[in-house]
Amino acid sequence: ETGVTQTPRHLVMGMTNKKSLKCEQHLGHNAMYWYKQSAKKPLELMFVYSLEERVENNSVPSRFSPECPNSSHLFLHLHTLQPEDSALYLCASSRDRSSYNEQFFGPGTRLTVL
Amino acid sequence: AQSVTQLGSHVSVSEGALVLLRCNYSSSVPPYLFWYVQYPNQGLQLLLKYTSAATLVKGINGFEAEFKKSETSFHLTKPSAHMSDAAEYFCAVSDVVAGGTSYGKLTFGQGTILTVHP
Repeated sequence: ETGVTQTPRHLVMGMTNKKSLKCEQHLGHNAMYWYKQSAKKPLELMFVYSLEERVENNSVPSRFSPECPNSSHLFLHLHTLQPEDSALYLCASSRDRSSYNEQFFGPGTRLTVL
Repeated sequence: AQSVTQLGSHVSVSEGALVLLRCNYSSSVPPYLFWYVQYPNQGLQLLLKYTSAATLVKGINGFEAEFKKSETSFHLTKPSAHMSDAAEYFCAVSDVVAGGTSYGKLTFGQGTILTVHP
């Protein structure tokens, strides 16, 4: 595998379920990001991790819980979600948090909350 | 706070015609600017980036963009559209706090869907 991979690609869950999204980067990067992409809205940055430390949380509800066990893996744990949380969740990584570094994106997980 | 405005949520061109996708930004400090492309069911892929070097930036797939500080613009162009260019395009600006501290946070525009007709 190369680049940034995400699993699963599609997920349907009920509001009472607990599920996790997984992201893995094979680029040797030190920063990782979670974004939410909803229809007709700009991409929203959710979380930023740098060297496995969470450095930014953009007022994301607690029903979304990120985890970064090492610099290659990033998880997004989901519980008691709402239908409005249905969206494409994108993971990205970059060499570090510097603004001029390109962010490499995974293909995303299409989440549907029933 | 930084922001990005992409004029036109949909742009339609004929194959072989000029592609022009407009992006205006707002930033209190010299920005870093990016154009990304997203094909259906895929993540975002970087087309090109401006990081205060040459104002005319060349990217992949024949795209280029020109940074115009006086107009706060970073429009994306391609001389001749190809069917494979049909996708959604995002302009983004990164945050560089005055003093040089950088956080790697990208602010994206709403996106422009490019349709290419035969």
